[in-house]
Amino acid sequence: QKEVEQDPGPLSVPEGAIVSLNCTYSNSAFQYFMWYRQYSRKGPELLMYTYSSGNKEDGRFTAQVDKSSKYISLFIRDSQPSDSATYLCAMSANRGSTLGRLYFGRGTQLTVWP
Amino acid sequence: NAGVTQTPKFQVLKTGQSMTLQCAQDMNHNSMYWYRQDPGMGLRLIYYSASEGTTDKGEVPNGYNVSRLNKREFSLRLESAAPSQTSVYFCASSEADRSSGNTIYFGEGSWLTVV
Repeated sequence: QKEVEQDPGPLSVPEGAIVSLNCTYSNSAFQYFMWYRQYSRKGPELLMYTYSSGNKEDGRFTAQVDKSSKYISLFIRDSQPSDSATYLCAMSANRGSTLGRLYFGRGTQLTVWP
Repeated sequence: NAGVTQTPKFQVLKTGQSMTLQCAQDMNHNSMYWYRQDPGMGLRLIYYSASEGTTDKGEVPNGYNVSRLNKREFSLRLESAAPSQTSVYFCASSEADRSSGNTIYFGEGSWLTVV
């Protein structure tokens, strides 16, 4: 079992829809949770970062972490065609030798059509 | 604002040939990484260097070697390329600390095809 599981999709939604992207994980040591966005033929870029449990909002994007369920989510409100990309979740621990190593999900491919 | 720069962007190799992917970062980060990305497999860590002078194996190190030349540069070498090494390679860097966790910054990628 991979440490981080993410449904690869693809996910296709109309413009203006609310998008929900999710990951589950197995390692209770994970404390830092990130979402990366990757456009076609580009490198991943950091979109959202959250420490421990709770919510974080940035414009149309909201990241949620539920450590009790080992489940993280990214919500995109009023989705736009420019949001079409692959979204990767990533996480890391804060103790021991694993500090500094990120564990990635496989990525979910999202298409927002006009 | 260069960030992480990797070269070459595209390369075609014949089986058995060798090559080195170069990577440099200008953010004064201690940690650097090499990942490969394959369809359906996501990002997989090949090697990483937590600090200058140290390197460690990741998930898929076989067939690769690395060199942390200095704090800025981290190269990935394929000694004898195989078709299974056809992939997109990403170099990355980070400054891991307890206040920010580990935010990794990626280069633009190197598309490698081994025929």
